[in-house]
Amino acid sequence: TQLLEQSPQFLSIQEGENLTVYCNSSSVFSSLQWYRQEPGEGPVLLVTVVTGGEVKKLKRLTFQFGDARKDSSLHITAAQPGDTGLYLCAGWLGNTGKLIFGQGTTLQVKP
Amino acid sequence: DAGVTQSPTHLIKTRGQHVTLRCSPISGHKSVSWYQQVLGQGPQFIFQYYEKEERGRGNFPDRFSARQFPNYSSELNVNALLLGDSALYLCASSLENTEAFFGQGTRLTVV
Repeated sequence: TQLLEQSPQFLSIQEGENLTVYCNSSSVFSSLQWYRQEPGEGPVLLVTVVTGGEVKKLKRLTFQFGDARKDSSLHITAAQPGDTGLYLCAGWLGNTGKLIFGQGTTLQVKP
Repeated sequence: DAGVTQSPTHLIKTRGQHVTLRCSPISGHKSVSWYQQVLGQGPQFIFQYYEKEERGRGNFPDRFSARQFPNYSSELNVNALLLGDSALYLCASSLENTEAFFGQGTRLTVV
């Protein structure tokens, strides 16, 4: 059982379309992080959301943390081929020292 | 400032052999975590070390071990390699359970 469930797991869209990726859990997280990873590289941190209901924007990317701090979403406006990659959400599991990842969303943006 | 550095970047080993992977954290970061990632999936937590003490351990067999040195660098050791150990091994550093920054990973292939 995945503690952090991401959906969809795979998304193939045309350039210019909008999309939303979801990260859901039955557990409360003190914060959630979103990463983007390209093949053969390590994940690169995009944003950390900390406060329930928080919304953060990074150019065409909008991140939201659920009010109960159990879920988060990533919305991309007018996707571009450069947005192609694996998007991962992650959260620290209490005081266990474990950073738990979702299974990832593979995004392909076609020109 | 240098980011997280891992060595080697690629490695090919034979079943039954032993491997040591190395990680240098971002300067000032005292926490190092190790993750295993198979293609198309999210990273799976292996270990976290903080101030040279093991803080967390994931669901991996005893063939996996790690340690952290006084300069906060870390090694991940895997004994009696199996074909299924082939993966991208990622190291992350953080200031404790805060934002984690990843290295580029070590691609291990077991043949």
